[in-house]
Amino acid sequence: GAVVSQHPSWVICKSGTSVKIECRSLDFQATTMFWYRQFPKQSLMLMATSNEGSKATYEQGVEKDKFLINHASLTLSTLTVTSAHPEDSSFYICSARDFRSTGPNQPQHFGDGTRLSIL
Amino acid sequence: GDSVTQMEGPVTLSEEACLTINCTYTATGYPSLFWYVQYPGEGLQLLLKATKADDKGSNKGFEATYRKETTSFHLEKGSVQVSDSAVYFCALRRGHPNAGGTSYGKLTFGQGTILTVHP
Repeated sequence: GAVVSQHPSWVICKSGTSVKIECRSLDFQATTMFWYRQFPKQSLMLMATSNEGSKATYEQGVEKDKFLINHASLTLSTLTVTSAHPEDSSFYICSARDFRSTGPNQPQHFGDGTRLSIL
Repeated sequence: GDSVTQMEGPVTLSEEACLTINCTYTATGYPSLFWYVQYPGEGLQLLLKATKADDKGSNKGFEATYRKETTSFHLEKGSVQVSDSAVYFCALRRGHPNAGGTSYGKLTFGQGTILTVHP
C-alpha cells in the first residue's frame, strides 16, 4: 500500500536551532501534503497545507516565518521549525494525498510523525 | 466552521467488554467521516471510514455508522482486546471530491479518546 515516510522520527535540539522535518511519499505522487501538530493529550491541529510548486497555505494562528514549508517535488515536502524554542516541542505529523485518486474515497496517508524536543 | 466532538476519555475497559466512543460533528454539506487510531509510539492509521449517510464502516471488529440525522459517527466494538489500547480520533473531511483545489483533503479531528484495555 501507499506509504508516507517521515524523517526524523525523533529529534532533540538546543533552543535557537532550526530543525527540518521531511515528508516523502514513497510510491505515489502527492500534489498536496498536510502538516499537523499534536500536543500532549490533545488532538491533531492542522498547521498548513503544502502544495507542490506553490506557497503553502497556513492555518490561522500559525506563523509562516516560524514554520517554513517547502514542497519542491511531487514526493517531498519539508517543514523547518526555525529558531526553535521549548514551546515548539511537540509531535508533528504529515499526510499526503495521492493525486491520481479521485472521488469520495480518495485516500490520505499519514507519516509516523516526528517527536521534536527542544531543550 | 467544521468541528468534531468526541467523548472525553480516558476510557478503561476489561478485555471482552463492549466499547462505544461517541463522535458528533458539525459541517455543511456532506462530509466524509473517519476514525483513525494511534497505537503507542506509532503514527496515525485509518481504522474505518464512511462517505455518505447510512454507510457503515468496519474494520478489525470495529464499526461506525454515518448518521446524518443525528450528525454522529459513533465507534463500536463488541469485544475489545488488550491490543486495542490506543488513542482513537474521529475526523471529517469536507469538500466536493471533484472540486480539487488546494484544500480538499484537509481533515478536521476530534480531540482523541484514550482507550486502555486491561486483561
